[in-house]
Amino acid sequence: EEQLVESGGGLVKPGGSLRLSCAASGFTLSNYSMNWVRQAPGKGLEWVSSISSSSRYTYYGDSVRGRFTVSRDNAKNSLDLQMNSLRVEDTAVYFCARSYDTSGAYGMDVWGQGTTVTVSS
Amino acid sequence: SYELTQPPSMSVSPGQTASITCSGDKLGDKYAFWYQQKPGQSPVLVIYQDTKRPSGIPERFSGTNSGNTATLTISGTQAMDEADYYCQAWGSSTVVFGGGTKLTVL
Repeated sequence: EEQLVESGGGLVKPGGSLRLSCAASGFTLSNYSMNWVRQAPGKGLEWVSSISSSSRYTYYGDSVRGRFTVSRDNAKNSLDLQMNSLRVEDTAVYFCARSYDTSGAYGMDVWGQGTTVTVSS
Repeated sequence: SYELTQPPSMSVSPGQTASITCSGDKLGDKYAFWYQQKPGQSPVLVIYQDTKRPSGIPERFSGTNSGNTATLTISGTQAMDEADYYCQAWGSSTVVFGGGTKLTVL
């Protein structure tokens, strides 16, 4: 079964840092682009970041650019999101999701269960 | 920045057809994708490349995309289809989601 499992969420103070991880199983991560999508409590889906299969290309949403960094280790079948300078408005469930590439022709066909990040003093 | 607009909510009677729209500038020139999300669950891709259904998605789900509007249609809506639905497209080096439509089946 193709599966993604996120980890690393928790409670952090404003200005703090957190590193999320996403472990892939049942498929070869290196064949796919990967994405982070978040959902604030009671709100809709918001794209956070995408990374190409080889890590050559990374993309970020305006609200996180300069604070978040996406990376991957294909040998370990894992994806990370380093989140720095966290703000209260970063509070959300963070999902990792798979897409075949970032050309615009493919949707996100496998999603993790999400990990919760709470930014509060 | 590119934006996608959906109606916040809509309701449909069981067995009837629900049509959820997603509007964006020249959206028809891009591929549209649709996701279903039930409470407490992760999103599920139900339509990709405007009209295609992933394996396991019922035939009652269909999609179109032309001009500035993409539409998700659910024919013979069932109670299990009650959920939030999000459209999505890829912009220039970005991913854009619509605000979501809460579909109530009553």
